[in-house]
Amino acid sequence: QKEVEQNSGPLSVPEGAIASLNCTYSDRGSQSFFWYRQYSGKSPELIMFIYSNGDKEDGRFTAQLNKASQYVSLLIRDSQPSDSATYLCAVRGTGRRALTFGSGTRLQVQP
Amino acid sequence: DTGVSQDPRHKITKRGQNVTFRCDPISEHNRLYWYRQTLGQGPEFLTYFQNEAQLEKSRLLSDRFSAERPKGSFSTLEIQRTEQGDSAMYLCASSPQTSGNTDTQYFGPGTRLTVL
Repeated sequence: QKEVEQNSGPLSVPEGAIASLNCTYSDRGSQSFFWYRQYSGKSPELIMFIYSNGDKEDGRFTAQLNKASQYVSLLIRDSQPSDSATYLCAVRGTGRRALTFGSGTRLQVQP
Repeated sequence: DTGVSQDPRHKITKRGQNVTFRCDPISEHNRLYWYRQTLGQGPEFLTYFQNEAQLEKSRLLSDRFSAERPKGSFSTLEIQRTEQGDSAMYLCASSPQTSGNTDTQYFGPGTRLTVL
C-alpha cells in the first residue's frame, strides 16, 4: 500500500463545473496535509494546506479533511481551462518534517 | 524575486561524471529540503536541513549523493558517478520555522538532470 494514494486521472470536467480531487493516506498519525498544483514542466505550487478535520475554503478552492477515514479532498469551483494541471496531495507524517507526495491527479478542464 | 532559486535549471552529463546543484532558499526560511521527481510521479524526499544541520535523510540518498548547507543559507546537492537512473528533476523547497507542524514548503523551479 502506498503511503499517499491518488487517482492518476485524467479527470475531465467542463468549464464552470466543480472538480473533485481525492487523496487517501496510510499514516494515521499524520497532522498536516497540503495540495500543490503542478503545470507540465514546472515545479509544484502550493494551493492550500489543512490541519483540522472539516472544510477550509480559499477563493474557488475548498480542502476537506477526514482524519477518521484518512481522506483529504480538494474541490475546485467554477473550473477554468487554466486550472488544467496535475494536482499533488502531500502529507506530513508522524514526527517528520518531510512531505510524502501522491503521484498526482491530472485535471483537464474542457472549454 | 524573493522565491526559492536553483542553479542550474538544466544539466546534461555523461554517465560516471559528478554534478553539483545549488539552492538558495527564501531569505527568512531556515528549513531547506531536497526532493527528486521523475516523470509521472510525485516528488520524493531526499534530505532536510534546519539551519546548517542535516536532520533527515531518505534511504534514497545513496552514498553517491551528498548535501551540504554550510552556513545555513544556500545548499548544494552533489551526485557522484552519475547513473542513467539519476535522471530526474531535483527540487529544492524551503519553509520558515514555526511551532508545531504548521510550516509550509515552497518549491524552487528545479534542476532537470539528464544523464546520457
